Amino acid sequence: DADVTQTPRNRITKTGKRIMLECSQTKGHDRMYWYRQDPGLGLRLIYYSFDVKDINKGEISDGYSVSRQAQAKFSLSLESAIPNQTALYFCATSDATSTKGVMETQYFGPGTRLLVL
Amino acid sequence: RKEVEQDPGPFNVPEGATVAFNCTYSNSASQSFFWYRQDCRKEPKLLMSVYSSGNEDGRFTAQLNRASQYISLLIRDSKLSDSATYLCAVNKGGKLIFGQGTTLQVKP
Repeated sequence: DADVTQTPRNRITKTGKRIMLECSQTKGHDRMYWYRQDPGLGLRLIYYSFDVKDINKGEISDGYSVSRQAQAKFSLSLESAIPNQTALYFCATSDATSTKGVMETQYFGPGTRLLVL
Repeated sequence: RKEVEQDPGPFNVPEGATVAFNCTYSNSASQSFFWYRQDCRKEPKLLMSVYSSGNEDGRFTAQLNRASQYISLLIRDSKLSDSATYLCAVNKGGKLIFGQGTTLQVKP
């Protein structure tokens, strides 16, 4: 079984609809992240959470909201979807900073392809 | 200027060739650096971590040049299966900042 799962894997929706993308992990990591990927722009951070009570905006948070329901679950919502939110969305997890003082690597879910018409 | 920059390529090389990619970063305080491999819009997967001067794993070597603020990835004896997009990532305050990726196509 995958350590980081995302649902749905594909979604088509219409402008103005509210949708939620879900992420679950079994790695026991405290930190979770949401990214979007667009052709030629790489991965851009939307929101991140370092623990259950911690939520932070990333580079491109406008139009999105998140909920950290538990250590293992981190959901991304588009309150009113618009066509330029069409993208590939990835969830990722990482452990807290290691004893060496450097950040552990991030592990990614399989992604959700979202199309907003 | 972007915080992390990569040449998007594509780099087209024959099998067996040696190819190198560079990635420049702007935050001199960054302590950890990563190379990820991404296949055809699938999830990125960690290829190598770089915490000090460099790291080597088989045909892959990553090096860090703090003075010039860049990391490099060297692939020796390229295989067809190495064809992918290679993303570099730099730690910034517990987050990763990604470059746009470099596409490699290895030809027979």
